[in-house]
Amino acid sequence: NAGVTQTPKFQVLKTGQSMTLQCAQDMNHNSMYWYRQDPGMGLRLIYYSASEGTTDKGEVPNGYNVSRLNKREFSLRLESAAPSQTSVYFCASSERKVGGYTFGSGTRLTVV
Amino acid sequence: KNQVEQSPQSLIILEGKNCTLQCNYTVSPFSNLRWYKQDTGRGPVSLTIMTFSENTKSNGRYTATLDADTKQSSLHITASQLSDSASYICVVDFSGSARQLTFGSGTQLTVLP
Repeated sequence: NAGVTQTPKFQVLKTGQSMTLQCAQDMNHNSMYWYRQDPGMGLRLIYYSASEGTTDKGEVPNGYNVSRLNKREFSLRLESAAPSQTSVYFCASSERKVGGYTFGSGTRLTVV
Repeated sequence: KNQVEQSPQSLIILEGKNCTLQCNYTVSPFSNLRWYKQDTGRGPVSLTIMTFSENTKSNGRYTATLDADTKQSSLHITASQLSDSASYICVVDFSGSARQLTFGSGTQLTVLP
C-alpha cells in the first residue's frame, strides 16, 4: 500500500545512547516532516525538508538531527538520548503546502 | 504565539448519536484549517481541509464548519459508529509554511454500543 513507512515501531533506549528513526514515502512527495506527540499536547514539528537536499528546523529541534537521504527517505537521529525525548514520533509527507499530509504510523520511543 | 484550543478534551456518546467537536484559534490570519482523525496507535488521517474563504466542507458523515469572524471551527459527526472512536485533531496553517502549522491537542471521542 502506498504511504509513509516508519521503522522501528517501538524502541527503548538508555540515556546517552544514540539511534536513527527511519522514514520512507512512496508517493513522490517533495516535502517531508518529523513531529513528536506528547500526552496532552498537539504534534510539534522537529525538522522538515521542503524538497530533496534541504532541511530546516521546526519548533523543537534541540537534541535532533535529520538527513534527507533522497526524495523518498528522511531520517531523524538522536545523538545522545535524554528522558525528555520519550515520545511518539511521526513522519509525514506532502506534495504541496495546502495539500493534505500523509502520516506514518509512528515510532514509540522510551528513554530510561 | 498562534494557538489552537479544542473542546471538549474527551467525549463519550452512544452509537448512532450525533456530536460536535469545537476548535478555537487565535487572531493571526491563516491559510487553511484542517481536521484529522487519529486512531489509537496510528498516525493522523486527513478528514477535511478548508481555506479561510470556505465555511463548510463535508466528508461522508463528517462535516466541518468555519466561522472566520469568531475564529471557530467545528466538526460534526452524524450517526456515529463504533469505528469513530478516535482522537480528532484541529490543525491551523497560519501562513502556508510548515513552520506555522499548529496542532490542537485533540478531542478523544469514545462511541459506546
